[in-house]
Amino acid sequence: GQNIDQPTEMTATEGAIVQINCTYQTSGFNGLFWYQQHAGEAPTFLSYNVLDGLEEKGRFSSFLSRSKGYSYLLLKELQMKDSASYLCAVMDSNYQLIWGAGTKLIIKP
Amino acid sequence: GAVVSQHPSRVICKSGTSVKIECRSLDFQATTMFWYRQFPKQSLMLMATSNEGSKATYEQGVEKDKFLINHASLTLSTLTVTSAHPEDSSFYICSARGTGGSDTEAFFGQGTRLTVV
Repeated sequence: GQNIDQPTEMTATEGAIVQINCTYQTSGFNGLFWYQQHAGEAPTFLSYNVLDGLEEKGRFSSFLSRSKGYSYLLLKELQMKDSASYLCAVMDSNYQLIWGAGTKLIIKP
Repeated sequence: GAVVSQHPSRVICKSGTSVKIECRSLDFQATTMFWYRQFPKQSLMLMATSNEGSKATYEQGVEKDKFLINHASLTLSTLTVTSAHPEDSSFYICSARGTGGSDTEAFFGQGTRLTVV
């Protein structure tokens, strides 16, 4: 079966760095997405990785290792507004998005 | 980025009535639209995928006669929840993918919070 695993909840301090991991087992792979979702709102696109390596975009970076079925989202210089759920999603061989359950990130002052 | 507009953002309806949710791509042609449902503190659950001009493909366990999806044009898809029941109360989100190919990023609407009383 297809499976996406990510931690349920993480806590970090304002100004610090946090890494949210995602491991996946899917039938085929056509890219991995990270989305941010604030409570009661639709998800917002953060990043897309299809090749191994690190993609940096401002305070957010995303890493992918296809051989390990592993990705992480790195958030630097955390701000209170970064408190949200972070969803990992993999596009499988049928170009369907398989979603993780999301990681709720709590930022403390 | 591209804009997808979903309407209404919130709706309260009586049990037994039908509710229509619209999803519009404002600045691109959406060849494929996805409808998701999300329960509190859970991830998105894909309900159906629709391609313009053809019937929607429903995921297992989703009643196609209850959740009617129409994708009549390249900029509009609608989801109608028929004979709504309180258990249909949920957050419904659409996303639209353009004509750039299967790996094109899908853009999300704002979501619709449906409450059935």
